[in-house]
Amino acid sequence: EPEVTQTPSHQVTQMGQEVILRCVPISNHLYFYWYRQILGQKVEFLVSFYNNEISEKSEIFDDQFSVERPDGSNFTLKIRSTKLEDSAMYFCASSELTSYNEQFFGPGTRLTVL
Amino acid sequence: GNSVTQMEGPVTLSEEAFLTINCTYTATGYPSLFWYVQYPGEGLQLLLKATKADDKGSNKGFEATYRKETTSFHLEKGSVQVSDSAVYFCALTSATGANSKLTFGKGITLSVRP
Repeated sequence: EPEVTQTPSHQVTQMGQEVILRCVPISNHLYFYWYRQILGQKVEFLVSFYNNEISEKSEIFDDQFSVERPDGSNFTLKIRSTKLEDSAMYFCASSELTSYNEQFFGPGTRLTVL
Repeated sequence: GNSVTQMEGPVTLSEEAFLTINCTYTATGYPSLFWYVQYPGEGLQLLLKATKADDKGSNKGFEATYRKETTSFHLEKGSVQVSDSAVYFCALTSATGANSKLTFGKGITLSVRP
C-alpha cells in the first residue's frame, strides 16, 4: 500500500541553524501539506502546496519557513534559522483530488532545537 | 475561524469496555469531519469520516455520527481491544481542493488494559 515517508525521523539542531525536513508524498497525489505538533498541543496547519506553489499558509509560516518540490517526488520544508520554539513533530501529508480530500500522513519528523 | 474541541484525556479502559470520545466543533459552512488515529511510532491514519449532516462514519468497529444540531462528532466503539491503544484526533475541513487544510483537536490518548 502506498504511503507517505518522511526523513529523518528525529533531527537535533542548534538554535540559528538551518534544517530541511524531507517528505516523499504518494506518487499520484497532487496536494501537499505540512503540519506540526508542539508537545502536548494541537496538530497545527502550516502550509499547503499545489501546482508548484503555495496555496495557503498559516500565520506560523513566516519568512523563516519555505517549501519546495525540487523534483517529481520530494517535498521539503526548510526552516532557515531555527528557534527553540520550533521544536515540534512535523507531519507531511498528501492527497489526490477528491470531494472530501482525504489526507494521508507520514510518520513525522521530531525536530529538537537546542 | 474553525476549531475542534476534544474531551480531556488520557483515557484508560479495560478490554471489551465501551468507548466514547467526545468531539465538538465550530466551523463556517458545511465542514467534513474526520477521526484520525496515531498508533505508536506511526503517522496519522484516517479512521473514519462523514461529509454531511446525519452521515455515520464507521471503520474497524468505530462509529461517529455527524450531528449538525449539536455540532458534534463523537467517536464510539462497543468493545475496545488492547490493539486500539493509540492517540485519537478529531478534525475538520470546510473547503475542498488545495485549500482544504485540516483543523485538529488536541488529541486524546487511549490505553486499553488486557
